[in-house]
Amino acid sequence: AQSVAQPEDQVNVAEGNPLTVKCTYSVSGNPYLFWYVQYPNRGLQFLLKYITGDNLVKGSYGFEAEFNKSQTSFHLKKPSALVSDSALYFCAVRAFDTSGTYKYIFGTGTRLKVLA
Amino acid sequence: KAGVTQTPRYLIKTRGQQVTLSCSPISGHRSVSWYQQTPGQGLQFLFEYFSETQRNKGNFPGRFSGRQFSNSRSEMNVSTLELGDSALYLCASSLGLAGFTSSYEQYFGPGTRLTVT
Repeated sequence: AQSVAQPEDQVNVAEGNPLTVKCTYSVSGNPYLFWYVQYPNRGLQFLLKYITGDNLVKGSYGFEAEFNKSQTSFHLKKPSALVSDSALYFCAVRAFDTSGTYKYIFGTGTRLKVLA
Repeated sequence: KAGVTQTPRYLIKTRGQQVTLSCSPISGHRSVSWYQQTPGQGLQFLFEYFSETQRNKGNFPGRFSGRQFSNSRSEMNVSTLELGDSALYLCASSLGLAGFTSSYEQYFGPGTRLTVT
């Protein structure tokens, strides 16, 4: 079955330290991968995506993600965390559906807490 | 450019009632998707509309339905509400459908928080 896994419900990191939010996927074919962030009482905001090309993708707010095909992972990273980065982060993958169309599958989300 | 708007933002309904939620996509976006977000399940895909046609559907009962109008605005309807339908319903728009050689990021509205009592 096609799926996305975010193995950590919550990640705590001190302000100024590097952060990593993990995502692994299982899809057939070439994966198209996305990261979104959700702040309280808001919808999801697009951060970055990997379609093809360079394995390191840069996105909004200083975030980047590394695509690793052999490990089927797409971890979100930031060199120096800010308190304002505290939010809920979702990984998503485009998957080919049995109905003959593509759809997006989201992970269950990881809550990032950056401590001052 | 205005973002995705959803109305109403909050709703309280009673079991057995029905509800209609509305979504206006970003101007120029033709694809509208609906998701149900709950703390335990994360985001669950409901359906996607493109050019007034439902193009894909998630694993939800027939009580959940939707439609899209010629101006790309979309509505979602839930009939015979159950307590378990309490959730945040998110609408997302994108330029087009995900295809074999393309994939578009989605832009989400703030959601409609539905509470069923």
